[in-house]
Amino acid sequence: AQSVTQLDSQVPVFEEAPVELRCNYSSSVSVYLFWYVQYPNQGLQLLLKYLSGSTLVKGINGFEAEFNKSQTSFHLRKPSVHISDTAEYFCAVRENTGFQKLVFGTGTRLLVSP
Amino acid sequence: GAGVSQTPSNKVTEKGKYVELRCDPISGHTALYWYRQSLGQGPEFLIYFQGTGAADDSGLPNDRFFAVRPEGSVSTLKIQRTERGDSAMYLCASSEREAGELFFGEGSRLTVL
Repeated sequence: AQSVTQLDSQVPVFEEAPVELRCNYSSSVSVYLFWYVQYPNQGLQLLLKYLSGSTLVKGINGFEAEFNKSQTSFHLRKPSVHISDTAEYFCAVRENTGFQKLVFGTGTRLLVSP
Repeated sequence: GAGVSQTPSNKVTEKGKYVELRCDPISGHTALYWYRQSLGQGPEFLIYFQGTGAADDSGLPNDRFFAVRPEGSVSTLKIQRTERGDSAMYLCASSEREAGELFFGEGSRLTVL
């Protein structure tokens, strides 16, 4: 079965600084990878996804992530964060064989301060 | 509406009561998923439907939890004899195709007193 590890429960950063949120996964088969964002009292919104092809994936709000198969990682990055990026970020993995459930990590809270 | 709709948005009940949570997926989406998110945790898979049938119910914690999707559209998550530990945000999502993203609703927050 697949699993996801988000090592950082909380990442504090100053506005306009770069940020990286780490995600590692485990699976015995090929996978699809996703990053979702959850703002306070809201549902989950897709930031970006890796299905196949280029390992560098660009998403909404200036975020990007790079799939590294050898390191089984899918870290999320943004070169310059805004106060409005403060939210909970979830990495998720899904086996690429038919309809499969999405398995989430425990989340990383990004706290952007002025 | 165009998105996944969940009702009620908030439900407060007493220990031992029965509750139903409803999910109305995006029109045309064949797959429907239920997740549970406890405070400070990531969403945990409960069950997913492909059409009317439950394709994977391995995440349901015990036999007090049950879900149906009789016509392949709206789904209802049913919880019998609620316990305080059932308090959580219950999220519903739908998907159009195998490799597609999951679109989530705003969730139903259940509080068991």
